[in-house]
Amino acid sequence: GAVVSQHPSWVICKSGTSVKIECRSLDFQATTMFWYRQFPKQSLMLMATSNEGSKATYEQGVEKDKFLINHASLTLSTLTVTSAHPEDSSFYICSARDGREIGETQYFGPGTRLLVL
Amino acid sequence: ELKVEQNPLFLSMQEGKNYTIYCNYSTTSDRLYWYRQDPGKSLESLFVLLSNGAVKQEGRLMASLDTKARLSTLHITAAVHDLSATYFCALNNNDMRFGAGTRLTVKP
Repeated sequence: GAVVSQHPSWVICKSGTSVKIECRSLDFQATTMFWYRQFPKQSLMLMATSNEGSKATYEQGVEKDKFLINHASLTLSTLTVTSAHPEDSSFYICSARDGREIGETQYFGPGTRLLVL
Repeated sequence: ELKVEQNPLFLSMQEGKNYTIYCNYSTTSDRLYWYRQDPGKSLESLFVLLSNGAVKQEGRLMASLDTKARLSTLHITAAVHDLSATYFCALNNNDMRFGAGTRLTVKP
């Protein structure tokens, strides 16, 4: 089956620094990738949708300048949390859609746990 | 705007018992997903339901879809401790919208 990886799996950083999270589709080309955020004991909330070679589409309430998304290739999307603050601490999960598939199945990565001190 | 509502949000069951988790949604959709999430982990895909009347079963879990009622159910048969997890339903309407999740605890 389709595999999506994320790196790093967890990260601890100081407040004010920037953190980059990578999402890779390992055995398929992902024309569309999605970034979700999940706070403890809550559901997944879609942050943004990124299409290869174009600007990401952000959900309402998500700051574009704070959460920079780059989908530079068909197998890689990155999320950079700029000037991170403790309230950005969360579980970030990406997913990818296989461009060859007619359906809309998303394949989820293992997640990245971010802790901002 | 697509809304997805799950209930119950918390479910504590004894081993061997049966129970159903409900997922209601607000707009037309013919593709519904069920996921399992263990603590600290990402999502594990359980079922994809593609059409009205679809029923899928895997082990002690069975999912069904009624697109006319905009309702999906996840039925648990003879629960075991290993089923303890959080279960999410989700719909794809250009992007994926998740229910709030049902936190299931199966007690011996």
